[in-house]
Amino acid sequence: KAGVTQTPRYLIKTRGQQVTLSCSPISGHRSVSWYQQTPGQGLQFLFEYFSETQRNKGNFPGRFSGRQFSNSRSEMNVSTLELGDSALYLCASSLAGSVSREQYFGPGTRLTVT
Amino acid sequence: TQLLEQSPQFLSIQEGENLTVYCNSSSVFSSLQWYRQEPGEGPVLLVTVVTGGEVKKLKRLTFQFGDARKDSSLHITAAQPGDTGLYLCAGGDHSPSGAGSYQLTFGKGTKLSVIP
Repeated sequence: KAGVTQTPRYLIKTRGQQVTLSCSPISGHRSVSWYQQTPGQGLQFLFEYFSETQRNKGNFPGRFSGRQFSNSRSEMNVSTLELGDSALYLCASSLAGSVSREQYFGPGTRLTVT
Repeated sequence: TQLLEQSPQFLSIQEGENLTVYCNSSSVFSSLQWYRQEPGEGPVLLVTVVTGGEVKKLKRLTFQFGDARKDSSLHITAAQPGDTGLYLCAGGDHSPSGAGSYQLTFGKGTKLSVIP
């Protein structure tokens, strides 16, 4: 089974621009979660999508948004980029309905904002 | 807000030594997961523990979930250079928002270096 894939792997943007990141979950996984990882804050939860609906959201400003398509692929968008948005953005998929909801992560997109 | 504290933050040991990494919280979790992350990659799931007092072994790695389901430990026996990486614990629970969401709260990790 193919793992979680994320594109692009690396991205450099300037302040004020917007960016869209893409995630394809493991086949059969309908839940997709997004995380931001920085050296200072560690892994922080952004949001979770299931069946094209956002069902949970972390404590991030409205500049961070996402969506999920009918094939479970997901995208996240960050508008009006700030220097502090530089981070590794990780996507994880899981089997909805499993008791412990193990998450399987993609390799991440490294975003650098200059 | 649920928080997970991991200790130590950094650990540098010689090949062949034993080590223990701790993950503590004041909150109860439904499950506790351990991940290892290598530079430039996403975290890879090592184990999930769901029952208080549960112990799981994965070759030289032993994972324990506390009786009260608030803490966990990871013990590595005879560490090898291939064990080098960032070890993350994550507590799982159903989200207060309901809607069937299950949320993971991550610790900040323990960065392990095993020197040959």
